[in-house]
Amino acid sequence: QKEVEQDPGPLSVPEGAIVSLNCTYSNSAFQYFMWYRQYSRKGPELLMYTYSSGNKEDGRFTAQVDKSSKYISLFIRDSQPSDSATYLCAMIGYSGGGADGLTFGKGTHLIIQP
Amino acid sequence: ETGVTQSPTHLIKTRGQQVTLRCSSQSGHNTVSWYQQALGQGPQFIFQYYREEENGRGNFPPRFSGLQFPNYSSELNVNALELDDSALYLCASSLSTGVGAFFGQGTRLTVV
Repeated sequence: QKEVEQDPGPLSVPEGAIVSLNCTYSNSAFQYFMWYRQYSRKGPELLMYTYSSGNKEDGRFTAQVDKSSKYISLFIRDSQPSDSATYLCAMIGYSGGGADGLTFGKGTHLIIQP
Repeated sequence: ETGVTQSPTHLIKTRGQQVTLRCSSQSGHNTVSWYQQALGQGPQFIFQYYREEENGRGNFPPRFSGLQFPNYSSELNVNALELDDSALYLCASSLSTGVGAFFGQGTRLTVV
């Protein structure tokens, strides 16, 4: 079992719909949770990050973390064709020793149909 | 766009050769991490440098090595290239925690 599970899709939705993207994880040491957007042949772009459980909103994007269920979500409201990309969840915890780096999901390929 | 720049953008090497990839970190960031992203996969952590010292490493063999310079720029070196090393190599800069790291556009390495 991978540490972070993410459905690769593709997920296709009509323009204007609310999009829900999710990841589950197994390592209870993860403390920070991030969402990145990656366009084809580009580097990942940080959308937002949260610490521990709770919600965070930034414009059309809302991130949710439920540590008790080891489940995180990203919601995109009023989706636009320009939102079509691969969305990667990433997590990090601290073992008290060296840096562990970010652990990523495989990414979900999102297509917004005009 | 982030302030993280990588060079070169594309590279083709022959199996067994050595390669050096370069990264300039975002101003104010003292930590650089390197990731390998195979096609259709999420990035995999290679290692991290903080103030010129390696302070974390993922599950990659010793033929993957690196450097960080006093200006916080960094190099990734890969010796004895294998076909499976073909991937997008990403550099990320951050403050010491690694949280909210900014990525460069990547170097696409093809080993033939």
